Amino acid sequence: SAVISQKPSRDICQRGTSLTIQCQVDSQVTMMFWYRQQPGQSLTLIATANQGSEATYESGFVIDKFPISRPNLTFSTLTVSNMSPEDSSIYLCSVPGPTYEQYFGPGTRLTVT
Amino acid sequence: SQELEQSPQSLIVQEGKNLTINCTSSKTLYGLYWYKQKYGEGLIFLMMLQKGGEEKSHEKITAKLDEKKQQSSLHITASQPSHAGIYLCGADDDQGAQKLVFGQGTRLTINP
Repeated sequence: SAVISQKPSRDICQRGTSLTIQCQVDSQVTMMFWYRQQPGQSLTLIATANQGSEATYESGFVIDKFPISRPNLTFSTLTVSNMSPEDSSIYLCSVPGPTYEQYFGPGTRLTVT
Repeated sequence: SQELEQSPQSLIVQEGKNLTINCTSSKTLYGLYWYKQKYGEGLIFLMMLQKGGEEKSHEKITAKLDEKKQQSSLHITASQPSHAGIYLCGADDDQGAQKLVFGQGTRLTINP
């Protein structure tokens, strides 16, 4: 299985600021996914990040709010911009395995005050 | 888009008892994933089912996908405190694209 790390593991941020979350994988993968889990809720897909192309965003998520970078096949970043308390969530990255399984990082717990 | 409904939403069982969690889809399932999440942490991959009638086991956890591929069940035998957590089912929302939608989760508590 893939080993995925995320930084930071948690953060408390002020309203109106931005936070960049990093996702590092121990193997090269074509696709990486970013999910959000709001308090008490299940996971929702934010976007798909492919190396060498623009990220593809799901309905309800826009690039200006959640810009994504994918500079190589083992790394991606998600920025949460101009944060509000509604952005308080756990943000998780995931990657597919070789036989259609999917593995998730440990998550970044974000609290916006 | 696909919707997944899990039941029950929460479950409290005595240690040593068996239990079952269900996941029902609004559409045919092309890939059904089961995960476990400890509070506030990442998701631990348990298993994935693709074929109608498929059954997989890992330690004391067994998951099945029904023949019509619209429902899956997760069964834990002789539950232990280590089984406590939130169980999530997820499904491939766009056949083969691996963009997952998730059920709302089942919170499992094991009483000693």
